[in-house]
Amino acid sequence: GAGVSQSPRYKVTKRGQDVALRCDPISGHVSLYWYRQALGQGPEFLTYFNYEAQQDKSGLPNDRFSAERPEGSISTLTIQRTEQRDSAMYRCASSRTGTGLGTEAFFGQGTRLTVV
Amino acid sequence: AQSVSQHNHHVILSEAASLELGCNYSYGGTVNLFWYVQYPGQHLQLLLKYFSGDPLVKGIKGFEAEFIKSKFSFNLRKPSVQWSDTAEYFCAVSPLRGGGFKTIFGAGTRLFVKA
Repeated sequence: GAGVSQSPRYKVTKRGQDVALRCDPISGHVSLYWYRQALGQGPEFLTYFNYEAQQDKSGLPNDRFSAERPEGSISTLTIQRTEQRDSAMYRCASSRTGTGLGTEAFFGQGTRLTVV
Repeated sequence: AQSVSQHNHHVILSEAASLELGCNYSYGGTVNLFWYVQYPGQHLQLLLKYFSGDPLVKGIKGFEAEFIKSKFSFNLRKPSVQWSDTAEYFCAVSPLRGGGFKTIFGAGTRLFVKA
């Protein structure tokens, strides 16, 4: 598509449920990033992929969080056994290559997750 | 740890006033620098970027930023703001070490321009 697409835009879930957030990057973009943004804060790095390989997952807060990009395109961020502190905006971005190599990242609209 | 500090969380200006938003980062190596903007109801989008060369970078909508390496700063400026500049502005740093894939964002500055 023309831009990075994330779904759903809004998700309300009960504490303890699992959620899956989807990101469809710009076609042909090699790198895909997940960020989390709490209210009043800037985006916080979670993880990134080059093609289907997860290159860095150092930002994932704990083992309830996981991400995959099995075919090097669409990515899913999964949060198991959600907790209220997981409530945030989850942002996905993609770039032709890494942002440090001369390219910029394009962001999607984000998924607003609320855990009640 | 690497970090990005934005000096003001909220800024209120009248139209035609000049703008300067401060940004400092802590990282000793080579970095790429960005300013992103988020208009109300929209997604984050790139305002300008610095990779190398002239430290004074010009971006869209009349914005510019100056990279001062000795001060680890990348301040954003605009000579005359408009009501439509009301938005949240994020400074971001991408260290080149390790491939430059991880971008670190500041907490953001909310700008409100009074008509």
